[in-house]
Amino acid sequence: KNEVEQSPQNLTAQEGEFITINCSYSVGISALHWLQQHPGGGIVSLFMLSSGKKKHGRLIATINIQEKHSSLHITASHPRDSAVYICAVDGDNTDKLIFGTGTRLQVFP
Amino acid sequence: DTEVTQTPKHLVMGMTNKKSLKCEQHMGHRAMYWYKQKAKKPPELMFVYSYEKLSINESVPSRFSPECPNSSLLNLHLHALQPEDSALYLCASSQEIWTGGAYEQYFGPGTRLTVT
Repeated sequence: KNEVEQSPQNLTAQEGEFITINCSYSVGISALHWLQQHPGGGIVSLFMLSSGKKKHGRLIATINIQEKHSSLHITASHPRDSAVYICAVDGDNTDKLIFGTGTRLQVFP
Repeated sequence: DTEVTQTPKHLVMGMTNKKSLKCEQHMGHRAMYWYKQKAKKPPELMFVYSYEKLSINESVPSRFSPECPNSSLLNLHLHALQPEDSALYLCASSQEIWTGGAYEQYFGPGTRLTVT
């Protein structure tokens, strides 16, 4: 079992829909990261959070440390949101990010 | 400037060639990373440099040789690669490596390497 699990693996949506991507982890962490990667492209850091909730534009990330769970929400989705969304954690006492396998999102007009 | 740059964007090389990938950041970050990413997989950590010293080598074959000539620059020297080394090579930087707290990593656009 991976230390970081994401669901769903693939997600399709119509433009305007509300989207939720989930991330569960089984290790102690100091922070959790949500990353975005467009096809063939580099990775963009969307959020780094260790508690509560953060919002940036149409994106909202939440984390529940007790339940070891985080969600990434996209409101009013748009075709340009089509990308792979990766959850990664900084494990306790480690210099390395532990990555989830990613969620491939396609938003159709 | 919150940008990490990588050159070249694409590289095709034969198995007997020697080439280098370059990564640069001017954010004053003291930690720099090389990742390898195969299609539809998450990135795999290869090397971490902290204050220009190699901090982590994830048992990477010696045909990959990293170098950190100064705090802004990170190179990856390639020699005698195999076709299975074809992948997207990503560079990243962060303020520090983990020191009791986490730091955001900033990624470059990657170099797509094809070994023929």
